Order: sequence, then C-alpha cells, then structure tokens
Amino acid sequence: GAVVSQHPSRVICKSGTSVKIECRSLDFQATTMFWYRQFPKQSLMLMATSNEGSKATYEQGVEKDKFLINHASLTLSTLTVTSAHPEDSSFYICSASPPGSATEAFFGQGTRLTVV
Amino acid sequence: GENVEQHPSTLSVQEGDSAVIKCTYSDSASNYFPWYKQELGKRPQLIIDIRSNVGEKKDQRIAVTLNKTAKHFSLHITETQPEDSAVYFCAAKRGNAGNMLTFGGGTRLMVKP
Repeated sequence: GAVVSQHPSRVICKSGTSVKIECRSLDFQATTMFWYRQFPKQSLMLMATSNEGSKATYEQGVEKDKFLINHASLTLSTLTVTSAHPEDSSFYICSASPPGSATEAFFGQGTRLTVV
Repeated sequence: GENVEQHPSTLSVQEGDSAVIKCTYSDSASNYFPWYKQELGKRPQLIIDIRSNVGEKKDQRIAVTLNKTAKHFSLHITETQPEDSAVYFCAAKRGNAGNMLTFGGGTRLMVKP
C-alpha cells in the first residue's frame, strides 16, 4: 500500500516554543492531506484539511493562527504548533490518499507532543 | 456535515467468541466506510472497508455489513483472539468531500484468553 511518513514521532518542548511536524507521502502525490488530533482514549478529531498551493481549511474551533499548516508541495504538509502550551499536548496524526475517489486513507506514524 | 456514532465504547469478550461493533452515520451521500484498528501509540491500520454499492464484505474472520437505508454499518469479528485486542474505529467518507473521513468515537475491544 501507499506510505505516509510523519516526523518526528515524539517531541518534548517548553511552553511558549513552536514545534513543526512533517507529513510526507512517499510514493504518491497528495493534493490534500488531513491533520487529526487524538487525546488519550478518544477518537481522531479532524483539525484541518491541508491543500497543496492554497490555504488550509480549518474545522470549527481550531485556531488557524495557533496551528499553522503549509502544504508547499504535492508530497509534504507541515503542521506548526505555535506558542505551545501544556494543553496542546496530544497525539497528532496526518493522513493522505492516493488520487481517486473513495480510496483508502493512509496514516502517518503520528507525533506524540508533550509540552512542559 | 457528517456525524458518525459508534457503539459500544468498550467491549470485552472471551477468546473464541464473536465481537460486533456498530456505527451509524448521518450523511446519506457518504459512500465509503472503512474500519481501522489502532494499537496503543500507533497509527490506525485499515482492516476492512465497504463501499455503498455493496451490502456485505468478508475477509477471513472479519466481516462488515452496510444498511444504506438505515444508515448503519457493523463490524463482525469471529473467533476472536487476544491479539485482536485494540481500539477499533469506524469512519465514513463524506460525499463530495475528497477523501476526508469522519470517525466514530472508537471501541476498545478486550479479548480475554
């Protein structure tokens, strides 16, 4: 199957700093990628849709100035958590699908962010 | 938008028994329904999916059924094994929304040896 790679898998940062998470589609081009957030023992909540060459589409309640998304190429989307706070600690995971309708979504490995 | 409800939130079964997880969705235009298995700290892995033109699909011990009229779909695992223990998520792809998935709340399945 297709491969989506996410980096880093774990990161610990201090409050007030920013953290960048990368999501790459390794063997296909993705005009759209999705960023999810998952709290412990909870479901995956869609944060935003990353669109190559245009602005991301954010879900209601997600601060676009706090969670900056850049989709500069057809294989890379980045999520930057700015001015991180302890409540931003969570599991962040991206997904992408090869071109075509109703195709399987492939997930990155996820990033465990801990803000201290 | 799409809303996906999943039940039960936890399920404990004895090894060898069957497990059934049910989901309902709200958007009648949804046409793709995958099921994912997620182990602790890992990425979700697709285990089976079904499209809206099919009523049932089976892959060894796993089967999924879809009732478009009632807008619900179910995951059936037979002859459960301890390694089936994980969190399972159903999802629905919104019609005309690219490949965006809306996930159910998840079911924590525990298979007791």
